[in-house]
Amino acid sequence: AQKVTQAQTEISVVEKEDVTLDCVYETRDTTYYLFWYKQPPSGELVFLIRRNSFDEQNEISGRYSWNFQKSTSSFNFTITASQVVDSAVYFCALSEAEYGGATNKLIFGTGTLLAVQP
Amino acid sequence: NAGVTQTPKFQVLKTGQSMTLQCAQDMNHEYMSWYRQDPGMGLRLIHYSVGAGITDQGEVPNGYNVSRSTTEDFPLRLLSAAPSQTSVYFCASSYSKTLANEQFFGPGTRLTVL
Repeated sequence: AQKVTQAQTEISVVEKEDVTLDCVYETRDTTYYLFWYKQPPSGELVFLIRRNSFDEQNEISGRYSWNFQKSTSSFNFTITASQVVDSAVYFCALSEAEYGGATNKLIFGTGTLLAVQP
Repeated sequence: NAGVTQTPKFQVLKTGQSMTLQCAQDMNHEYMSWYRQDPGMGLRLIHYSVGAGITDQGEVPNGYNVSRSTTEDFPLRLLSAAPSQTSVYFCASSYSKTLANEQFFGPGTRLTVL
């Protein structure tokens, strides 16, 4: 069965601290996609990144970086020098597989609430 | 482009009432889906569609119906509302029906069933 685990329910940091959000996934498929979405207090879901299972290169986008490690089935998200505007719920998601291929059907983790204090 | 729009934003129903949550996208996306978000459970897929006239069930389809008569619209119908259907509902769309692409989410509908 496919599953996404975000063990950290809530994290609280002080502004300018670095913070890492953990994501561990389970799948038997060789082709899959992983995603991170941000849900700010306003409630909408904002796409952050999509990574396929064949690309293990880490990615950096400004203060955001992602570490994908197939050996540990993890896709962790780090925010460097956190800011109050980073306060949100962050979801990790895995594309559900069907007939050997990845689909748009997403399996979400339960989310991590990040609170950045000024 | 308006992106993905959902109406209404808020709704209160009594047990047994029916209603339709509206979802529309103006990006000519093939794939559309409905999720519900409950505290501590993340988002769970209710129904999805890979194109006009084609729909299928997700993880939690019971109590909901969908149809896709046009590419743009994907309404979600609650047949007989129950308190267990109190949730926030998100509609999403994606360009490709065959690849796991970025999905664009609507602003959500907060539904309370009394």
